[in-house]
Amino acid sequence: KQEVTQIPAALSVPEGENLVLNCSFTDSAIYNLQWFRQDPGKGLTSLLLIQSSQREQTSGRLNASLDKSSGRSTLYIAASQPGDSATYLCAVPQGAQKLVFGQGTRLTINP
Amino acid sequence: GAVVSQHPSRVICKSGTSVKIECRSLDFQATTMFWYRQFPKKSLMLMATSNEGSKATYEQGVEKDKFLINHASLTLSTLTVTSAHPEDSSFYICSAETSGPYEQYFGPGTRLTVT
Repeated sequence: KQEVTQIPAALSVPEGENLVLNCSFTDSAIYNLQWFRQDPGKGLTSLLLIQSSQREQTSGRLNASLDKSSGRSTLYIAASQPGDSATYLCAVPQGAQKLVFGQGTRLTINP
Repeated sequence: GAVVSQHPSRVICKSGTSVKIECRSLDFQATTMFWYRQFPKKSLMLMATSNEGSKATYEQGVEKDKFLINHASLTLSTLTVTSAHPEDSSFYICSAETSGPYEQYFGPGTRLTVT
């Protein structure tokens, strides 16, 4: 059974800092990994999807890496802004379709 | 990108009544949709997988007679909470899966409050 863990559970940093969110998964036989953003009371917005054959994906100030062999992924946010404040979730498929989510990291960027 | 909508966004109902939540893929066809439940400050819990034209597959511990799922078309899945009770109050989120590459796009969620 796939299990996903995110560290830290919460993070508060000053505006402008670069930061890293961590995600680990127990079963390395995945075919992709997704990072999502969730604002309070809202649905999920897909940020990045990394295929198993890729080592990283970039979108603007976001960079996600994937190390399948060690069961780890990181989400790097450069030059953080108050608008980046949200909960960030990583998820991996279990089997063909089901997504297993981590508990999320609640990020607060202080102006 | 692919857009998924949910209706209603918020609903308040009395205990014992039934509530229907709709999930629509607006600009793509989805043979598979998923229904999740999220408790406050918790992650998403998959309730069931909805396949167009066939019965939904429920996760262990989810009552299929209480949470009725209908996926009648390639763009619409519905979740009906029957005989709702206060413990059913939660945030319900659906997702729709694209094909090639398989990726899930999520709706904005429905906040259900049962009084």
